[in-house]
Amino acid sequence: SQQGEEDPQALSIQEGENATMNCSYKTSINNLQWYRQNSGRGLVHLILIRSNEREKHSGRLRVTLDTSKKSSSLLITASRAADTASYFCATDGQGGKLIFGQGTELSVKP
Amino acid sequence: DVKVTQSSRYLVKRTGEKVFLECVQDMDHENMFWYRQDPGLGLRLIYFSYDVKMKEKGDIPEGYSVSREKKERFSLILESASTNQTSMYLCASRPQGFHQPQHFGDGTRLSIL
Repeated sequence: SQQGEEDPQALSIQEGENATMNCSYKTSINNLQWYRQNSGRGLVHLILIRSNEREKHSGRLRVTLDTSKKSSSLLITASRAADTASYFCATDGQGGKLIFGQGTELSVKP
Repeated sequence: DVKVTQSSRYLVKRTGEKVFLECVQDMDHENMFWYRQDPGLGLRLIYFSYDVKMKEKGDIPEGYSVSREKKERFSLILESASTNQTSMYLCASRPQGFHQPQHFGDGTRLSIL
């Protein structure tokens, strides 16, 4: 079952611009996680935000979480061509299983 | 760094064959997972395991089985491969406890002809 819905499905920006991706979910969560996937590779964990946190930073990444709206956003600042990848949100609820969204394809043009 | 190793990056098999996909992790993680990833469908959980010899069905277990005889190894088995099992298969591991990320292997792109 897919819980996370991501928006937009695809995003194309120029190097140096900021990229914002959104994720909505349906049920209560313990935390929400963001992953990156380069073409043809596995997923790499980027950042985890707990349900009692509202904002978290890691380098050029900023994640927000609004549990009242059941939504999260991932902001990548000053994007680089190397940020080109698919980005997935995943919710961590009951049973220790992650439920992944369908992802946002980000293309950063040099 | 955690390393999750999948035995093959690319694999081609024929319909009806029994196919084994192997996954090994080196961080003594209790939890291991098998997903398949298809365009437009995202990642779907096939099976997962909380401990040695334990397994739980995920969202799409039909046509698959798993084996976890040792803590570091989690095998996915396609009992009788069919063309609709052509997909990217991803293995992941995760330590016990809340607020832990999953660590993924590089995936196996499996084609069933």
